[in-house]
Amino acid sequence: AAGVIQSPRHLIKEKRETATLKCYPIPRHDTVYWYQQGPGQDPQFLISFYEKMQSDKGSIPDRFSAQQFSDYHSELNMSSLELGDSALYFCASSLGQPNEQFFGPGTRLTVL
Amino acid sequence: GENVEQHPSTLSVQEGDSAVIKCTYSDSASNYFPWYKQELGKRPQLIIDIRSNVGEKKDQRIAVTLNKTAKHFSLHITETQPEDSAVYFCAASIYAGGTSYGKLTFGQGTILTVHP
Repeated sequence: AAGVIQSPRHLIKEKRETATLKCYPIPRHDTVYWYQQGPGQDPQFLISFYEKMQSDKGSIPDRFSAQQFSDYHSELNMSSLELGDSALYFCASSLGQPNEQFFGPGTRLTVL
Repeated sequence: GENVEQHPSTLSVQEGDSAVIKCTYSDSASNYFPWYKQELGKRPQLIIDIRSNVGEKKDQRIAVTLNKTAKHFSLHITETQPEDSAVYFCAASIYAGGTSYGKLTFGQGTILTVHP
């Protein structure tokens, strides 16, 4: 069965650089979520999209933005990177609500 | 917003024993409660979930109970095995029929270690 795809799997950036993370949800899923998980922490909700429209926003810094495209893939854009942005970034998708959110393998971002 | 508290933060058991993890939530509107298992560096994987119209759900060695009045829910794992060792997260979500799209608020996690 198809799963959520995320790319890249690993990313190393310098402070003040920009990064773009990509997410390809499971086909026909209508909702995409982004979560940030710091070391030893629980996942924190960043932002979500329902049918390509932003549906909810969590603790996402103003330096971050996201969008969902016509083919339903989503991108998380991160600018002016800080050391504290180093984390695992997960994308999840679901069909309908409330239903299981299927998580992607994550992107490990390291900011040096 | 929603706040989820999870206890204990670490749990160590012998193989074959039972393990219980408890969570409380703050928002009485929460109506979906999944449990995730996460191995180091891997993605969270759903192991069981429960909706607010159900008090208990069981799937083989895993069961979840929900007490809406007390706003708490628990994960029970019986006959634990070494491969059950991982971090377990509870979560809560609100579905409000179009005004909210089910973001998960996670508990702080429980590191479960099952000793052979």
